[in-house]
Amino acid sequence: DQQVKQNSPSLSVQEGRISILNCDYTNSMFDYFLWYKKYPAEGPTFLISISSIKDKNEDGRFTVFLNKSAKHLSLHIVPSQPGDSAVYFCAASANTDKLIFGTGTRLQVFP
Amino acid sequence: ETGVTQSPTHLIKTRGQQVTLRCSSQSGHNTVSWYQQALGQGPQFIFQYYREEENGRGNFPPRFSGLQFPNYSSELNVNALELDDSALYLCASSLVHGRPPYGYTFGSGTRLTVV
Repeated sequence: DQQVKQNSPSLSVQEGRISILNCDYTNSMFDYFLWYKKYPAEGPTFLISISSIKDKNEDGRFTVFLNKSAKHLSLHIVPSQPGDSAVYFCAASANTDKLIFGTGTRLQVFP
Repeated sequence: ETGVTQSPTHLIKTRGQQVTLRCSSQSGHNTVSWYQQALGQGPQFIFQYYREEENGRGNFPPRFSGLQFPNYSSELNVNALELDDSALYLCASSLVHGRPPYGYTFGSGTRLTVV
């Protein structure tokens, strides 16, 4: 079963606008959530994370929101830049450092 | 500070063969985790090595095995290759064994194609 779901395989956003990437999870034992960015021919790179005791974490242009009651998290990128074009993975862990990943969302930021 | 290095970057194997993938962890990192990313999917946890011992395993059959060496580098071995083993294999190293997992550094992966 897919414990972490990213239902939008792709997203296209104009440069300067907000990008919102969504992620849903089913396992209520998850206590740590992360977003990774992946460029072609490179490994995933850590972007931002959030503990389940928080509902928001911000780092520059990137903000992650966590809604535990809905088992939903989202990544907001403001403003979006062409260099943000990549595949974004949502990942979760349950009191461990082993990660469960979603299937990814391909973000394209166009001029 | 060197990152995580994986070799080879690409290889093609025939069904039934065996393959060994290699990973050099980032300097100072003592834990290595392996993930399989099939086409159109997210990475799936295979297993983790800490202090040369397997420390957790995902839902993969025993023909997937690994090693960690005293210098913390690691190998992933797959026996009796199947077509479904075709994937990108990612190695991730980390300094702190356990939580939180944000300390992962991923390599660029090895693209394995089984024909």
